[in-house]
Amino acid sequence: GAGVSQSPSNKVTEKGKDVELRCDPISGHTALYWYRQSLGQGLEFLIYFQGNSAPDKSGLPSDRFSAERTGGSVSTLTIQRTQQEDSAVYLCASSLWAGSYNEQFFGPGTRLTVL
Amino acid sequence: AQSVTQPDIHITVSEGASLELRCNYSYGATPYLFWYVQSPGQGLQLLLKYFSGDTLVQGIKGFEAEFKRSQSSFNLRKPSVHWSDAAEYFCAVALGDSNYQLIWGAGTKLIIKP
Repeated sequence: GAGVSQSPSNKVTEKGKDVELRCDPISGHTALYWYRQSLGQGLEFLIYFQGNSAPDKSGLPSDRFSAERTGGSVSTLTIQRTQQEDSAVYLCASSLWAGSYNEQFFGPGTRLTVL
Repeated sequence: AQSVTQPDIHITVSEGASLELRCNYSYGATPYLFWYVQSPGQGLQLLLKYFSGDTLVQGIKGFEAEFKRSQSSFNLRKPSVHWSDAAEYFCAVALGDSNYQLIWGAGTKLIIKP
């Protein structure tokens, strides 16, 4: 595609429910990143993929958070038993390869609201 | 711990005036430095980056930034702002080529007065 796409753009859920957030990276990009942006904060790194592998999951805030990537393309971030503090904008980015020299291209984000 | 500070939460400038947005980082060596812009309803876009070499770097949309090692700063500038520059600006650092994580400042919201 022309850019990184994310769905849904907005998600409102009740506390305790599970949610899935989807990211479609730019075609041909092998690296994919998930970030969380809370109100008034910078971006918080969550996890990245090189291909289908996630070498570092240390940014995931709790074991309620998980992510997978299939076919080296689409990625899904799953939050189980959502809490109000999970409310934030979740951003996905992709780059040709992982590493600082490679520009990360960002999607428009999914705004998650947990009631 | 490494950190990035953008001391101004909001900045208001008149259209046509010059702009400087501040960014300071805390890291023992020279990091890789980035400025991103986030316009309403749009994704983050890279404005410019510094890896090495000339400390004054040019970016898109008429922006430039200067790396000052002695001040651990990487301030963003534009000689004359346009109403379309109203957005939120983020400074970010990476701690080396193999370090994929970007450490982000909290952002500066730029407001343009007509």
